[in-house]
Amino acid sequence: QSALTQPASMSGSPGQSITISCTGTSPHSGTYNLVSWYQQRPGKPPRIIMYEVDKRPSGVSNRFSGSKSANGASLTISGLQAEDEADYYCCAYLGRSVVFGGGTKVTVL
Amino acid sequence: QVQLAESGGKWVTPGGSMRLSCAASGFSFSDYYMTWIRQAPGKGLEWISYIGGDSYYTNYADSVRGRFTISRDNAKNELYLEMNSLTVDDTAKYYCARNVRGQLVPDYWGQGTLVTVSS
Repeated sequence: QSALTQPASMSGSPGQSITISCTGTSPHSGTYNLVSWYQQRPGKPPRIIMYEVDKRPSGVSNRFSGSKSANGASLTISGLQAEDEADYYCCAYLGRSVVFGGGTKVTVL
Repeated sequence: QVQLAESGGKWVTPGGSMRLSCAASGFSFSDYYMTWIRQAPGKGLEWISYIGGDSYYTNYADSVRGRFTISRDNAKNELYLEMNSLTVDDTAKYYCARNVRGQLVPDYWGQGTLVTVSS
């Protein structure tokens, strides 16, 4: 059982926005200052789409945005497109260890 | 550009051992922490281990501590994962990844190498 909880699945129609939550159990809010997000399409390795909560690597669409909450972080995908259909994982430090969320399968209807 | 290529994955019986390698190119290898992550078939991502640029810092997930050893050869730009006492639960695709500079989370990932543990 992951220490970072994500919804197992989410869906939306093209053009809509969805927000994926990543909730942790750490009492220290600083834990979530360095959350990163990954997109994994079927049969492909994950690729980073967000780091340090809200920083987008070069080449990542600005339709992806990140934010921090008291006990976690969120990833918002705006203007949903068919190519966004994938699994999404959050990742954070817990002490000196690294933890991934359980993953969210995003379906574009 | 950053390239990571894992190798060494194969089928092995429970209790066996294996060494995975990851060849890195396109960046200053010794300046970055490196990480191994695995993904069991149809499952999510599991962080396994990371190692600092000078090999001083290492850490392991509880599920592999004492059985797996991470190491690197900066002269060869290679990362390794020595795996012993393998069980069926270690069956997964193993990814090598470079970390975000100065951080413990990965950015660039390789294509992965498949490890199958079965009798």
